[in-house]
Amino acid sequence: RKEVEQDPGPFNVPEGATVAFNCTYSNSASQSFFWYRQDCRKEPKLLMSVYSSGNEDGRFTAQLNRASQYISLLIRDSKLSDSATYLCVVTPYGGSQGNLIFGKGTKLSVKP
Amino acid sequence: EPEVTQTPSHQVTQMGQEVILRCVPISNHLYFYWYRQILGQKVEFLVSFYNNEISEKSEIFDDQFSVERPDGSNFTLKIRSTKLEDSAMYFCATGDSGNTIYFGEGSWLTVV
Repeated sequence: RKEVEQDPGPFNVPEGATVAFNCTYSNSASQSFFWYRQDCRKEPKLLMSVYSSGNEDGRFTAQLNRASQYISLLIRDSKLSDSATYLCVVTPYGGSQGNLIFGKGTKLSVKP
Repeated sequence: EPEVTQTPSHQVTQMGQEVILRCVPISNHLYFYWYRQILGQKVEFLVSFYNNEISEKSEIFDDQFSVERPDGSNFTLKIRSTKLEDSAMYFCATGDSGNTIYFGEGSWLTVV
């Protein structure tokens, strides 16, 4: 079983749409959770950390359900500039802060 | 904004040759990491380095690989006797004591 699983997409949506990404992780002892975005052939960039209480940053909302080992990201009012691959990332229990386990990512394409 | 810089941005090497990839971390960062991403695949953790020694490494990071910080600034990844399957984007990342790490733009290695 893969450690971090995501729907590969691609998701093709019009500008202004709301889009949701889902992710599951296999290790219940995972410690920290993040969403990164990666543009084509570029480095991953941190979008936001994910907390059990849920957190929001502008148009972006992230949720964590530890019982279900499930992480989500919601993008509202999507923009053309949101087109990228969205990576679900966890850190294992006891691992160093930089031992990030990445999902393969979900590609988003926002069309005019 | 401070950034992690990597050189070279792209290197083509013959199978069996040694390659050194270089990274200049953000100045006050003490934690250093290497990741790789084979084309079309997920980002994979290779190694973490702190206080002049490896603190954690993955199964990928075998005897073919080594890291060092020879002059207190550059952080290098050496790949001995490169194989075709070493062709990938290699990302350096650095962090301070907080939870966030910052990725460089990557070094694209092509082994022919």
